[in-house]
Amino acid sequence: EAGVAQSPRYKIIEKRQSVAFWCNPISGHATLYWYQQILGQGPKLLIQFQNNGVVDDSQLPKDRFSAERLKGVDSTLKIQPAKLEDSAVYLCASSADSPGGAQYFGPGTRLLVL
Amino acid sequence: AQKVTQAQTEISVVEKEDVTLDCVYETRDTTYYLFWYKQPPSGELVFLIRRNSFDEQNEISGRYSWNFQKSTSSFNFTITASQVVDSAVYFCARTSGSARQLTFGSGTQLTVLP
Repeated sequence: EAGVAQSPRYKIIEKRQSVAFWCNPISGHATLYWYQQILGQGPKLLIQFQNNGVVDDSQLPKDRFSAERLKGVDSTLKIQPAKLEDSAVYLCASSADSPGGAQYFGPGTRLLVL
Repeated sequence: AQKVTQAQTEISVVEKEDVTLDCVYETRDTTYYLFWYKQPPSGELVFLIRRNSFDEQNEISGRYSWNFQKSTSSFNFTITASQVVDSAVYFCARTSGSARQLTFGSGTQLTVLP
């Protein structure tokens, strides 16, 4: 079974530029998550989708971050405009639709904002 | 906020030693799930175990074992006869709310020396 796929793996941009990350979850997983992991910290949830609807986006900086999950499969996370403090690893995870189902993570996208 | 605390920032052991990673959590939920993840230098979070709040039985899987004590809100992880390949950052996490979002601790960096 294929795992969670993410691209690109690395991205370097200058502040005020825009960037987009892509995620393809494990086949059949209804729930998809985007996390931000700053160096030396645990992942922090940005947004959670159930199929193509948003379950929780309370920690998403909506003035600059946006995410969508069209057709309930792939998802895209966008940052526009980027700030220096957005430098982090962006992790995508997915889980089956069961209570407390384990979340399986992709390899992440390392973003450096200069 | 309901926190997950991993007080040990870094642990260093010599190969074949046993090591215990501590995790203490806060929760107001009656039903919740606890997790441990491993993050090797490659960066991908690897799922290790999930435990339901109603199941306080300890679990052993090979060299790994977990001790869940609801009375002290702790979910500790022991690696027996550690190996160099165990070197990684280990995260403890807890679900919260009806949507079961994960809150992660700040992680423990384990280094196993040959």
